[in-house]
Amino acid sequence: DAMVIQNPRYQVTQFGKPVTLSCSQTLNHNVMYWYQQKSSQAPKLLFHYYDKDFNNEADTPDNFQSRRPNTSFCFLDIRSPGLGDAAMYLCATSRDPSGSSTDTQYFGPGTRLTVL
Amino acid sequence: AQTVTQSQPEMSVQEAETVTLSCTYDTSENNYYLFWYKQPPSRQMILVIRQEAYKQQNATENRFSVNFQKAAKSFSLKISDSQLGDTAMYFCAFTNTNAGKSTFGDGTTLTVKP
Repeated sequence: DAMVIQNPRYQVTQFGKPVTLSCSQTLNHNVMYWYQQKSSQAPKLLFHYYDKDFNNEADTPDNFQSRRPNTSFCFLDIRSPGLGDAAMYLCATSRDPSGSSTDTQYFGPGTRLTVL
Repeated sequence: AQTVTQSQPEMSVQEAETVTLSCTYDTSENNYYLFWYKQPPSRQMILVIRQEAYKQQNATENRFSVNFQKAAKSFSLKISDSQLGDTAMYFCAFTNTNAGKSTFGDGTTLTVKP
């Protein structure tokens, strides 16, 4: 019963070649998050959507973009990956009826990105 | 800005024993939520336990319990009767009801030894 699905699980790209990571959810949660996690470090929030409202973190590079075409799907686009972008990318969702992110986050298994 | 500090990068415990992971946080808010998440090696992150700041009673989930000290801004996780499957990285997280996002600590890697 997968709830938050990320594809692919492993992605290899070349320096500067655009790449898209995908996330889908079966929970019907209205909030979706993208995190970057480097080895043995805390997840770093890149941005999140509350329904269609996009919320970018101040320190997220312009190289990172996101799209959420509907409730179930969310995409992370890296326009020109650099070596420093190699990391695990985690997608998470939460149910947030109040408008503030107080509820538990459900994480996907992550996509490990390698940049050659 | 909120900060979350986990002062123990690595810990180990013998199977069946008890271990406590520490977490402190800094905030000026009064209403917030605290979480412990578990990330096993090569597996996805899952919730272990959560605590609402307005509740004085410490949360408990089977072998997992917290010691929430609001005045001290401390939120430690106690794992009783440790099992090999508890081996994982544990993250403490803080969510401010007004901020719309969570702040994570740097994590504690726990190894349960047979």
